[in-house]
Amino acid sequence: GQSLEQPSEVTAVEGAIVQINCTYQTSGFYGLSWYQQHDGGAPTFLSYNALDGLEETGRFSSFLSRSDSYGYLLLQELQMKDSASYFCAVPGNNRKLIWGLGTSLAVNP
Amino acid sequence: NAGVTQTPKFRVLKTGQSMTLLCAQDMNHEYMYWYRQDPGMGLRLIHYSVGEGTTAKGEVPDGYNVSRLKKQNFLLGLESAAPSQTSVYFCASSYGAGDTDTQYFGPGTRLTVL
Repeated sequence: GQSLEQPSEVTAVEGAIVQINCTYQTSGFYGLSWYQQHDGGAPTFLSYNALDGLEETGRFSSFLSRSDSYGYLLLQELQMKDSASYFCAVPGNNRKLIWGLGTSLAVNP
Repeated sequence: NAGVTQTPKFRVLKTGQSMTLLCAQDMNHEYMYWYRQDPGMGLRLIHYSVGEGTTAKGEVPDGYNVSRLKKQNFLLGLESAAPSQTSVYFCASSYGAGDTDTQYFGPGTRLTVL
């Protein structure tokens, strides 16, 4: 089957660094995506890793290890506006995305 | 560029009523998707389209129908609404296949079925 696991909740303080892990199980593999969703808002694309290693975009980085079926999203210099849900997603059958259940990040002052 | 727009933003239906949700995108994307999002369930794919005139079933298609008569529009229909269809519905589009290409989401439609 195809499935993803990520923690349901993470709490951190402003200025800190937080890592959100995602493990996946799929029959084929084309890459790992991350999306951010604020309360009441729509998901927005953050990053996509097709190859092993770290991809950096500003304060956010995403890592992939295909041999371990594992990836993570790293958020640095946390700000209050980073409080949101973060979803990892991988390709499933017929080139559709399979989504994790999301990690709710709370950033406290 | 409006991106992806959805109408309506909110709707309350009675059980058995029908309605159509409209999604429009102005990015000339080939792929379009309808998702529903329920608390603790993440995003679940209802139906999707890989181009004008095509539709396909996703993970939870029962009780819904779709049409893609024009490339820029993707309609989601509920023929006989049920309380289990109370949810937030998101439309998304992507230029290429949405598993490797960025999906752009609309603002969502919050539907309550009484």
